Amino acid sequence: SQQGEEDPQALSIQEGENATMNCSYKTSINNLQWYRQNSGRGLVHLILIRSNEREKHSGRLRVTLDTSKKSSSLLITASRAADTASYFCATDVRGSYIPTFGRGTSLIVHP
Amino acid sequence: GAGVSQTPSNKVTEKGKYVELRCDPISGHTALYWYRQSLGQGPEFLIYFQGTGAADDSGLPNDRFFAVRPEGSVSTLKIQRTERGDSAMYLCASSTGTSGRNEQFFGPGTRLTVL
Repeated sequence: SQQGEEDPQALSIQEGENATMNCSYKTSINNLQWYRQNSGRGLVHLILIRSNEREKHSGRLRVTLDTSKKSSSLLITASRAADTASYFCATDVRGSYIPTFGRGTSLIVHP
Repeated sequence: GAGVSQTPSNKVTEKGKYVELRCDPISGHTALYWYRQSLGQGPEFLIYFQGTGAADDSGLPNDRFFAVRPEGSVSTLKIQRTERGDSAMYLCASSTGTSGRNEQFFGPGTRLTVL
């Protein structure tokens, strides 16, 4: 079963707009990671946030984590057409070393 | 050095045939993971190696699936008596450690199609 679930399943925006994707999970975690996948390709690691962190930034990416709500969000600011991809969250359940992925959010950025 | 590589990039086979999918991890990475990804879904864990041993094979769907990593580097995922439902993208990833704190580096995947 999926530990993390991304929301929305699909997101379509115009270039320059911000994109926000959410991830909810069920059990306590050590870490949460966000990955990106271009169509038909492997996944690329974007950012990791630990359970004792609330926010992290990397370039145009901003990730927040709310452990009380068991949720995380990924914000992409000033989106570009090249940001078009699927975005997945992966949670590291406490006691496990296997990251568990959600179904992903499909982001389309129109030029 | 180079990233994770997987061969072949595409494999088309007939129902009932045997296939092998290969993964070359990043040199020095001790942990290696196999995932299966169906269209519109996230990667689904299959098996995890730490060195040469399969530390967790709980994700393998049945005994038709088997994976080896004899020298602690290259890994081969083997599927016997393939079925149409085995059609998916098979992803391999490697990392330097065993915990979820370690970033996984993914290969480009092998697209398996069973006719």
